[in-house]
Amino acid sequence: DGGITQSPKYLFRKEGQNVTLSCEQNLNHDAMYWYRQDPGQGLRLIYYSQIVNDFQKGDIAEGYSVSREKKESFPLTVTSAQKNPTAFYLCASSIIDRGRNQPQHFGDGTRLSIL
Amino acid sequence: SQQGEEDPQALSIQEGENATMNCSYKTSINNLQWYRQNSGRGLVHLILIRSNEREKHSGRLRVTLDTSKKSSSLLITASRAADTASYFCATGGLRGSNYKLTFGKGTLLTVNP
Repeated sequence: DGGITQSPKYLFRKEGQNVTLSCEQNLNHDAMYWYRQDPGQGLRLIYYSQIVNDFQKGDIAEGYSVSREKKESFPLTVTSAQKNPTAFYLCASSIIDRGRNQPQHFGDGTRLSIL
Repeated sequence: SQQGEEDPQALSIQEGENATMNCSYKTSINNLQWYRQNSGRGLVHLILIRSNEREKHSGRLRVTLDTSKKSSSLLITASRAADTASYFCATGGLRGSNYKLTFGKGTLLTVNP
C-alpha cells in the first residue's frame, strides 16, 4: 500500500540535543511538507520541498533544519536552538499540478517531548 | 498567521443528527480543502472545492463555498459515532504561493451514540 511513514511515533529530547524525525513516502509525490501542531491548534508549516535538493522555509523554520537528498525522504532535525520543541510533528506529501494546490497525504505523526 | 478560522471550536451532537462547521478566510484563494483528524493521528483529506465552484458533495459530506463572503461550510449528514474527530479547513493561495496550504485551528466534533 502507498503511503507516508513517520518514525519514531514517540521521541524524547534532552536539553541541548539535536533529534531527527524520519519521513518516507512511496507515493511518488514531488512535494513534501513538515508541520508542527500544538494542542488545540492548527498546523503550522515548518519547511517544504518541491524537488530533490531544494527546500523552502515555512512560517516557523527557526530551530529546525531539513534535507531532501532523495525524492522519497524528507527528514526533519529539531536542533537545540528550538527552545520549545514539545509538539506533534506531521509530515505530508502531494503531487504538483500547474500551480494549483493539491490534496496532501499525511503520516501519523511523531510526538516529541522534552526530558 | 492563520488564514482559515473554523467555527464553532467544538460541537457535540447525537448520532443521526447533522453537523455543520464553518470556515472563514481572509485573502483570495485557489481552492479550499477540508481534512479530518482522529485523535493522535495524521490528517485525512476529505474534499477539495475550487474557487469557481459553489457546492460539492461526497457521500454524506456537502461543502459550500462563498468567495464573496470568504467563507465555506462543511455539512455532515446523518452523523455516526465514527465521525468524532477534529475537522480543519485549509486554503491554497493564488499562483505563486508555491503549493502551500494554510490550515485553521479546527472544529472538534463529538458524536454521541
